[in-house]
Amino acid sequence: ELKVEQNPLFLSMQEGKNYTIYCNYSTTSDRLYWYRQDPGKSLESLFVLLSNGAVKQEGRLMASLDTKARLSTLHITAAVHDLSATYFCAVDMIQGAQKLVFGQGTRLTINP
Amino acid sequence: DAGITQSPRHKVTETGTPVTLRCHQTENHRYMYWYRQDPGHGLRLIHYSYGVKDTDKGEVSDGYSVSRSKTEDFLLTLESATSSQTSVYFCATAPDRVRGGSIFGDGTRLSIL
Repeated sequence: ELKVEQNPLFLSMQEGKNYTIYCNYSTTSDRLYWYRQDPGKSLESLFVLLSNGAVKQEGRLMASLDTKARLSTLHITAAVHDLSATYFCAVDMIQGAQKLVFGQGTRLTINP
Repeated sequence: DAGITQSPRHKVTETGTPVTLRCHQTENHRYMYWYRQDPGHGLRLIHYSYGVKDTDKGEVSDGYSVSRSKTEDFLLTLESATSSQTSVYFCATAPDRVRGGSIFGDGTRLSIL
């Protein structure tokens, strides 16, 4: 059974600081997705990581994938308040079908 | 530019009643999914579809059924709703096996009393 674990689950940080969210998964997969969710809203796709060593960046967010370690990271650089949200990673149950198993989510609060 | 529309957006009903949630897409995507979101669990897959009349079970399919008679519509039915099915339900679509992440609808908040 595929399990996906994120840590930390809650993160409160100051603007301007850097931090990393970790996503570990239990079985082999080479496809990992990151999503953002604002309170009461839908999920927005941030990154799709499709191979070992994949790195993608968008603004202050950078995601990477190490399939050998079964680990993905979401790095936040010089955080700003607008990045406050819940971040989810998700892994394909069956490679390529996008039957996703989600982590519990990391609730990120960025204080001025 | 809402390519995915869920209806209703909110519903309150009583235990034992049947409930049907609808997902309509204008993206012409092959794959469609129903997830539920509960605190502490992230999102969990209920059922998914890989084409018209082709559906399969997800992680938490007990008590739910689905149907897809047209590419654009994916229905989720709770045959006899229970309080444990109180949740936020999200529909999602994906174009194919490779490109991009799934696109999610705005969700349906379902309360079963």
